[in-house]
Amino acid sequence: QVQLQESGPGLVKPSETLSLTCTVSGDSVTNDEYYWSWIRQPPGKGLEWIGYIYYTGSTKYNSAFKSRVAISVDTSENQFSLRLSSVTAADTAMYYCAREAASGSTWFDPWGQGTLVTVSS
Amino acid sequence: QSVLTQPPSVSAAPGQKVTISCSGGTSNIGNDYVSWYQQLPGTAPKLLIYDNNKRSSEIPDRFSGSKAGTTATLGITGLQTGDDADYYCGTWDSSLSAVIFGGGTKLTVL
Repeated sequence: QVQLQESGPGLVKPSETLSLTCTVSGDSVTNDEYYWSWIRQPPGKGLEWIGYIYYTGSTKYNSAFKSRVAISVDTSENQFSLRLSSVTAADTAMYYCAREAASGSTWFDPWGQGTLVTVSS
Repeated sequence: QSVLTQPPSVSAAPGQKVTISCSGGTSNIGNDYVSWYQQLPGTAPKLLIYDNNKRSSEIPDRFSGSKAGTTATLGITGLQTGDDADYYCGTWDSSLSAVIFGGGTKLTVL
């Protein structure tokens, strides 16, 4: 079955850049039926969509992150990555990667198990 | 504060039925499909319903989804203690040009 696994540092200093990678197994990031997305969840709060990348390299980001966010894809490693710059304590959250339908409707399945990133000096 | 409004909590006894509403507007629910997710404590969200009313694979028919106008509803029948979880609705918002989620509803099976 399709599985996604996040990896990256669990602690990032304020003003630095958060970098996470999602490794996909059981599917290919070049599958044209899906986007590859990042979603986060601050402790005790709800879900916030960050953005997605398509296998062509095209991206779509939540404007709430303005110019701080970048998502890239590595087809040779079957991975996609998130970079979020100039982080603050407000960026402390569980970060999930997920496969998103590219069929005209919006749904996410499956999700990775998530990785907790804490922003602190 | 979420663009999609869900009740913060609902509760019911085992075996009973519960519904969870997700209220939005014409730029989101009124013009796009809704999906629903279950998040058990300490785990990642899991897709339950997509395209308003289609069950994801291996999701029992105790779970159902519907949509009318700008409100979507998740229904759960035959409640079990294992259904204790947070439930989220999600959809695309054309004004924000972003995927949005409801604030989540905590279901307690008493």
